[in-house]
Amino acid sequence: NAGVTQTPKFRVLKTGQSMTLLCAQDMNHEYMYWYRQDPGMGLRLIHYSVGEGTTAKGEVPDGYNVSRLKKQNFLLGLESAAPSQTSVYFCASSYSSNPRDLESGANVLTFGAGSRLTVL
Amino acid sequence: QKEVEQDPGPLSVPEGAIVSLNCTYSNSAFQYFMWYRQYSRKGPELLMYTYSSGNKEDGRFTAQVDKSSKYISLFIRDSQPSDSATYLCAMSKNYGQNFVFGPGTRLSVLP
Repeated sequence: NAGVTQTPKFRVLKTGQSMTLLCAQDMNHEYMYWYRQDPGMGLRLIHYSVGEGTTAKGEVPDGYNVSRLKKQNFLLGLESAAPSQTSVYFCASSYSSNPRDLESGANVLTFGAGSRLTVL
Repeated sequence: QKEVEQDPGPLSVPEGAIVSLNCTYSNSAFQYFMWYRQYSRKGPELLMYTYSSGNKEDGRFTAQVDKSSKYISLFIRDSQPSDSATYLCAMSKNYGQNFVFGPGTRLSVLP
């Protein structure tokens, strides 16, 4: 039972380079999310997906693109990396988006272990 | 003003102490209140949640919500070194995808 797996765990980029972070979940969750975590800022939502083939913008989407071609995978792309994108990126998934489903556990976010990205 | 504020810490306490972790928020539409625990180099895990105002207890952990003051707390009794982690509060409305997270408080429980 792997849960949510993020690849790679660490990456160093130079300004202007591109890269893709991969998130894979094996729980058959409909909803998937990409967050970034910065000191003093908490987790901020970048993009999310409510199902295969769908994506939507979160709080801080600029400079990122996402795709969800398969239900189990959610990709986060940086087309032209900038030092401001140095962060720890977390992928999360859940079965439901309804807060009322917290009681059943369906709306509980399951997070990956994170991907540390440094942009020089 | 940030939507959710949290004492950043770090907070160091001796083993066995009672710990109080707190968050304040500005949006009165929040109805669900959660506490996540994040160990170093790991993703956050849900510890507890409460709906609206009131208290909820789970073992050594108690979550309190005071919606009139827009203030939530997590109490840890008989703290253990294994409780050393960063604690994130999170909130959501009755609808929508978005959880809003606090910046987290780093707690160290010293043996």
